Amino acid sequence: GQQVMQIPQYQHVQEGEDFTTYCNSSTTLSNIQWYKQRPGGHPVFLIQLVKSGEVKKQKRLTFQFGEAKKNSSLHITATQTTDVGTYFCAGLLGYGGSQGNLIFGKGTKLSVKP
Amino acid sequence: DTEVTQTPKHLVMGMTNKKSLKCEQHMGHRAMYWYKQKAKKPPELMFVYSYEKLSINESVPSRFSPECPNSSLLNLHLHALQPEDSALYLCASSQIKGVSLLHFGDGTRLSIL
Repeated sequence: GQQVMQIPQYQHVQEGEDFTTYCNSSTTLSNIQWYKQRPGGHPVFLIQLVKSGEVKKQKRLTFQFGEAKKNSSLHITATQTTDVGTYFCAGLLGYGGSQGNLIFGKGTKLSVKP
Repeated sequence: DTEVTQTPKHLVMGMTNKKSLKCEQHMGHRAMYWYKQKAKKPPELMFVYSYEKLSINESVPSRFSPECPNSSLLNLHLHALQPEDSALYLCASSQIKGVSLLHFGDGTRLSIL
């Protein structure tokens, strides 16, 4: 079936280090969304990327959507303890029976050591 | 604070019980969703309602029964659940199905004894 692969599964960093998580789809996506889930919380929407090659920034977070609209990345510069949580990408399929379905990646759990 | 309200926050029930999870949003969204999330796993789609009609049912066992009484409310009726159904049940809404971002509720943490 259609999948969105996300790596790494876990990432432990020292505060101040950078962090990147990657998503890859086997099929072209209409768009890709990123969510953050704090421990014990619910997923919270971060951003949506729609255009091929799109890059968006939110303070220390940089999101990219690949030219083929099959991959995406989230990069955090100079991590802080408030960045702790699990980051999920979610790809929206545009064609076929799953149209309108968001397919979540397995998530990357980020821990930050002060 | 979340704009999608779920009740109860916690629920413990036996395998023979019948209970319901409730979800409410007042953002005027026309798509509402039920997701199931096990520990250390991503949310897993169960049902989608679009304009109060069931749009997607992802092969969920019949012991889970969704209901959308109006555009603001979404229920999930539970009956004869199994221990493996213990999970966090998340409700979400979006402006319309498929295109727009999801607003999640805090979830109901369900334990089946």
